[in-house]
Amino acid sequence: GEDVEQSLFLSVREGDSSVINCTYTDSSSTYLYWYKQEPGAGLQLLTYIFSNMDMKQDQRLTVLLNKKDKHLSLRIADTQTGDSAIYFCADRSTGFQKLVFGTGTRLLVSP
Amino acid sequence: EPEVTQTPSHQVTQMGQEVILRCVPISNHLYFYWYRQILGQKVEFLVSFYNNEISEKSEIFDDQFSVERPDGSNFTLKIRSTKLEDSAMYFCASKDREFGQFFGPGTRLTVL
Repeated sequence: GEDVEQSLFLSVREGDSSVINCTYTDSSSTYLYWYKQEPGAGLQLLTYIFSNMDMKQDQRLTVLLNKKDKHLSLRIADTQTGDSAIYFCADRSTGFQKLVFGTGTRLLVSP
Repeated sequence: EPEVTQTPSHQVTQMGQEVILRCVPISNHLYFYWYRQILGQKVEFLVSFYNNEISEKSEIFDDQFSVERPDGSNFTLKIRSTKLEDSAMYFCASKDREFGQFFGPGTRLTVL
């Protein structure tokens, strides 16, 4: 079945850029998503990219998709302490509704 | 900004009891979902619901589980006879035709 993998932990200093990486196995992904989860909260949809795109920028967020390598990344520019959270990537296959989630990457931003 | 809401935030039950988890999706959304996250594990898909019927379900969603949209606003997940391994955070989500799924804050279910 499909699998989505992420590194577990990333630590950066405030003001630096953060890059969170994700790999997936599904060859028929239609959409790929990034969600943010803060302590005690649900999953907040941050951004998504359609599988025929290479890049999408949304304010401080940049999503890069390398479909050949099945690699997705989320870059957060000028990272703030409020960006500390767990970030999940998820993929959705053509013809299916379900999202397949990665393990989540815990981002810690220190002042 | 519209959001998905879920009640209760925490439910404690005895093994073998029935539980109903409730969700109010975003009002103009058409697709509804349940996911769960066992502590320390990935978020897992359970079921999707569209046009008053199940459109997709995972192997986790066996005969012990059912979903219902009893009126125009609520979406429920029922577990008929809870097991210890059903202890998890249960997330409801909804979606309109485009974009992504919007998640609620979750219900933590503890089965004793």
